[in-house]
Amino acid sequence: DTAVSQTPKYLVTQMGNDKSIKCEQNLGHDTMYWYKQDSKKFLKIMFSYNNKELIINETVPNRFSPKSPDKAHLNLHINSLELGDSAVYFCASSLRLSGGKGEKLFFGSGTQLSVL
Amino acid sequence: DAKTTQPPSMDCAEGRAANLPCNHSTISGNEYVYWYRQIHSQGPQYIIHGLKNNETNEMASLIITEDRKSSTLILPHATLRDTAVYYCIVRVRASGTYKYIFGTGTRLKVLA
Repeated sequence: DTAVSQTPKYLVTQMGNDKSIKCEQNLGHDTMYWYKQDSKKFLKIMFSYNNKELIINETVPNRFSPKSPDKAHLNLHINSLELGDSAVYFCASSLRLSGGKGEKLFFGSGTQLSVL
Repeated sequence: DAKTTQPPSMDCAEGRAANLPCNHSTISGNEYVYWYRQIHSQGPQYIIHGLKNNETNEMASLIITEDRKSSTLILPHATLRDTAVYYCIVRVRASGTYKYIFGTGTRLKVLA
């Protein structure tokens, strides 16, 4: 019963292929995210969804298309994969804390994408 | 567009307190400071967060300066399992929601 789960954990593919990464959270959170971690370990937000609606798109190439069929799922589809897409992709979800105390992000265990 | 700066690496002896500094001199009044850590290539794990008061939980303490331009994460009794990359993060308001802007992190090595 992992809180935020991603599949697959590893994805190795050829340049030009299309691939998808799936993410599910069973925490009842309204907001979900995709982050990309490059080879220098820098974590950068890509997308944020709230109740299935896209609210943040950080100038990611339109080869990346997130889809949220319901608020528990946020999938990432990538078209025409390029070498530079090789990275670890993390899904996350967040819970707003009561009393105006901010919120917490919960991360999945990551998907390591290698484009050859 | 990181809003935080951290030393790239630190060592700490096992059993001693680990004090990890972070500068966030451009932080705005309503932006929270968060700390997360990442062990190997696992997903980042929440540690603690705060706005202006010092905070303590079962994992760590967070000391925020009065001007809020810097903070220190304290692991009171570091263990070998605390070896990880520690990220100091500012949460900013964006498009009706929040963005977590990660810095480059501090690689903490706890030595036996």
